[in-house]
Amino acid sequence: EVQLVESGGGLVQPGRSLRLSCAASGFTFDDYAMHWVRQAPGKGLEWVSGISWNSGSIAYADSVKGRFTISRDNANNSLSLQMNSLGAEDMAFYYCAKDVSPTILVVGGFDFWGQGTLVTVSS
Amino acid sequence: QSVLTQPPSVSAAPGQKVTISCSGGSSNIGKNYVAWYQQTPGTAPKVLIHDSNKRPSGIPDRFSGSESGSSATLGITGLQTGDEADYYCGTWDSSLSAYVFGTGTKVTVL
Repeated sequence: EVQLVESGGGLVQPGRSLRLSCAASGFTFDDYAMHWVRQAPGKGLEWVSGISWNSGSIAYADSVKGRFTISRDNANNSLSLQMNSLGAEDMAFYYCAKDVSPTILVVGGFDFWGQGTLVTVSS
Repeated sequence: QSVLTQPPSVSAAPGQKVTISCSGGSSNIGKNYVAWYQQTPGTAPKVLIHDSNKRPSGIPDRFSGSESGSSATLGITGLQTGDEADYYCGTWDSSLSAYVFGTGTKVTVL
C-alpha cells in the first residue's frame, strides 16, 4: 500500500523558516518524480514544486522561487521542502504527491497524495 | 489567477450526467497530459484521470476524460450523492515550466 506521510508543519513567525518532510513507502520511490502542492483554507490547489526521480530536474512556482528548496533522499525514501522567508501568503495545507512519471518534464498527474500538513504563519 | 479555467459549479440529479470543462492554452492542455482530481471537504485530493484518459484502478468507468485542442473535459455519468465534491483539472505548462491547476468546480447532486 502506497503511503505518503508529511510532517514538519506548525506555527511559524513571518520571515522565519520551516522544513517539511514526506516519508514514502509502498512503492519504488526512486522510480517516480515527487511534488509539493499546497492549499490555503477554503481555496484551490496550488502546485509548489516538483523534483524528478534522480533530482536532475527541479521546478518551482513563481510564488516560491528563491525562497523554497525541494530535495529528495532516495536512500531513505523521503522528500523535503525547505521554506524560508515565510509570509502570510504561504499559510496552507501542504501535500506531498507522487507523480505517475519519473520526470517532471512529462507530468501525467499525481496518483497518490499524503494527508497534508498545516503551515500557519503568524506573529 | 489560474491559467486553467473551470466553471465554478455544476449540478444534476442522481443518475444523470455532468461534464466539467477545463479551458487552457497551447502551452498547457494543448501540449501536455491532463489529470483530473476529486476532493471532498477535509480530505486530500484523489486522482480520477491521469495521462489525459487513464483511470487508476478503483476508479469506476463512470468517470472519463477527453480533450480537444486546448480544452479538456471530465464526464461523470450515473451521478451519485457520493460524487458531491470539488473537481480540479491539472497539467504541466511548458511556457511557465510549472504544473498548473484549474480554478475548481463544485459538483452538487440535486
